[in-house]
Amino acid sequence: NAGVTQTPKFRVLKTGQSMTLLCAQDMNHEYMYWYRQDPGMGLRLIHYSVGEGTTAKGEVPDGYNVSRLKKQNFLLGLESAAPSQTSVYFCASSQPTLRGTYQPQHFGDGTRLSIL
Amino acid sequence: EDKVVQSPLSLVVHEGDTVTLNCSYEVTNFRSLLWYKQEKKAPTFLFMLTSSGIEKKSGRLSSILDKKELFSILNITATQTGDSAIYLCAVEAGNTGKLIFGQGTTLQVKP
Repeated sequence: NAGVTQTPKFRVLKTGQSMTLLCAQDMNHEYMYWYRQDPGMGLRLIHYSVGEGTTAKGEVPDGYNVSRLKKQNFLLGLESAAPSQTSVYFCASSQPTLRGTYQPQHFGDGTRLSIL
Repeated sequence: EDKVVQSPLSLVVHEGDTVTLNCSYEVTNFRSLLWYKQEKKAPTFLFMLTSSGIEKKSGRLSSILDKKELFSILNITATQTGDSAIYLCAVEAGNTGKLIFGQGTTLQVKP
C-alpha cells in the first residue's frame, strides 16, 4: 500500500544540469500534480495532469516540463537547473468522484533538490 | 488573482492550550476548502469543507467554513507536543481539482 512514491528523495545539482523527478501512484488516480514548497510560501502548483497523455500549466511552470505517458506515472523535468529552483518538490494525486467533486489529494514524501 | 491567506504564520503554545488557526480566501469558482497537517514529510489530510456553518470534527481538532465571509478556522483543543507541525489551508477552485495553498501556520507546542 505505497500510495504516492517519489524518487529520488534528495539530489544536488550544478547550475545548468538537467534531471527528471519521478512520481508513481498505485491508487489508479486520474489526476496528478507537481508542487514546489519554499519557506513561507506554502505549496505552489507547477504542472498537473487530468489523465494519461494530458498535461497543463499551473501557477509556476517556467523552467519545468512534465510528461504523463502512463496513468500511474508523472515525470517532472528540469531542463537547465537554476539556483532559484532549489526547493522541496511534492507530487500528489486525486480522483474525481461521481458527484463531480474530488477526493482529497494524496501527497508523496517529497524530493529535496539543491542547485548550486 | 486567486489567493489564500493564513494567520498567524507561526504560533508557540504550551501543552493543554487551545489554538485557533485562520484561513481567508479570494478565489473564483470555489469548490471546497481543505486543511492539511505537515510534519516532516508529506502533508496529510485533515478536513474537507464544502458547506457553510457545518463543523467537522476529529478528536481534538475541528473546523468550520464561512462562505459568506470567505474564511475558515481550524481549532485544536488540549494541544499536545505531537500537534507541532505546519498546518496548511488550501482551496480547490475550478473543475480540475487544483489546490491553491496558503503560506501555512507553523505551530510549536511546548511541554
